[in-house]
Amino acid sequence: SQQGEEDPQALSIQEGENATMNCSYKTSINNLQWYRQNSGRGLVHLILIRSNEREKHSGRLRVTLDTSKKSSSLLITASRAADTASYFCACSGGYQKVTFGIGTKLQVIP
Amino acid sequence: DTAVSQTPKYLVTQMGNDKSIKCEQNLGHDTMYWYKQDSKKFLKIMFSYNNKELIINETVPNRFSPKSPDKAHLNLHINSLELGDSAVYFCASSHRQHEKLFFGSGTQLSVL
Repeated sequence: SQQGEEDPQALSIQEGENATMNCSYKTSINNLQWYRQNSGRGLVHLILIRSNEREKHSGRLRVTLDTSKKSSSLLITASRAADTASYFCACSGGYQKVTFGIGTKLQVIP
Repeated sequence: DTAVSQTPKYLVTQMGNDKSIKCEQNLGHDTMYWYKQDSKKFLKIMFSYNNKELIINETVPNRFSPKSPDKAHLNLHINSLELGDSAVYFCASSHRQHEKLFFGSGTQLSVL
């Protein structure tokens, strides 16, 4: 399965600290995407990284991709209370469908 | 304006009933999806349509029938609802298939 698995499943940090979430997957992918879900809401796309890319930035977000290890990481720098949410990685591979992991629940304490 | 809107937001119904969830997107996207999120927050794709044509149909019971009257709408009809159907159902759309999905706010279905 190309489904991603996030690690850790839950993360609690103080405001201002950096948060790192990891995603591992099993089969080859075309791209990997990260989404955020606030409680009771739909998912919001954060960033997409293609299989031929190694790193991407968007504001306070930094995503890396290591296809040899089949893993990706999402770094949120200088976290804010508003970053409190669940974060999902999503893989798109040979069958093209986007499959999601179970998410990392991030809590940023003010 | 809401980009992907789905109705209703909450749906409480008895086992055995038939219900529908509607989804509309005003983004001009060609591809639409239905996802199911269970109580453990696991998201699983159910269906995907591209330009009104079904392109992904996961192993979903045939009690679930998607209908796409035009590329801006993808509705989900569920027959003979079961307790295990209780979940949050999300509609989504994208410009390019399987990239940067825009999600609706979800429909929480509770089957009693």
